[in-house]
Amino acid sequence: AQSVAQPEDQVNVAEGNPLTVKCTYSVSGNPYLFWYVQYPNRGLQFLLKYITGDNLVKGSYGFEAEFNKSQTSFHLKKPSALVSDSALYFCAVSSTDSWGKFQFGAGTQVVVTP
Amino acid sequence: DTGVSQDPRHKITKRGQNVTFRCDPISEHNRLYWYRQTLGQGPEFLTYFQNEAQLEKSRLLSDRFSAERPKGSFSTLEIQRTEQGDSAMYLCASSTGQVRGYTFGSGTRLTVV
Repeated sequence: AQSVAQPEDQVNVAEGNPLTVKCTYSVSGNPYLFWYVQYPNRGLQFLLKYITGDNLVKGSYGFEAEFNKSQTSFHLKKPSALVSDSALYFCAVSSTDSWGKFQFGAGTQVVVTP
Repeated sequence: DTGVSQDPRHKITKRGQNVTFRCDPISEHNRLYWYRQTLGQGPEFLTYFQNEAQLEKSRLLSDRFSAERPKGSFSTLEIQRTEQGDSAMYLCASSTGQVRGYTFGSGTRLTVV
């Protein structure tokens, strides 16, 4: 079984400040971790993934995430948030045991104010 | 490469009617997935194909739901006797293999009235 927790329904941040969106996971087998972003009435847009290798992963639009195996976390970060980063963010996990099937978190709404 | 295409983008139907959605994956992707996303929630896995074989079905996929991928290319998802609880965004994704991640389509938003 696999599960994902995004403990914050919403994150509010001022433009220019650092942004962090939290994600913890549970899987059997080795984890594959992903972040997606969704704008209103749109599909899911890939941001970044961790498969293996360096724990710090850099992705699109200045986002990065750090894989922490001991804490089973994969938090998404951006050093300086933009108003255009306001969207719904989903963490997702797959694993070597799950046929490529993803388990998504419930999502975190990010609101960046000018 | 035009990405994953889903048709229609929006569908409004009356309760009790049947609806069918189509997904055209990226041509070289042999894996195809269907998810359902209700308002304010993350997508939930429905079913998965490798080529034309349907390899897994979620218990969310009741008897009223059926999915096919007859030639290992496009896929259809049919919902019979729709209920208001079926109102959701239905997302399709395709992949060459799990470690490469997915490409999602823009989804079909179903509203049952």
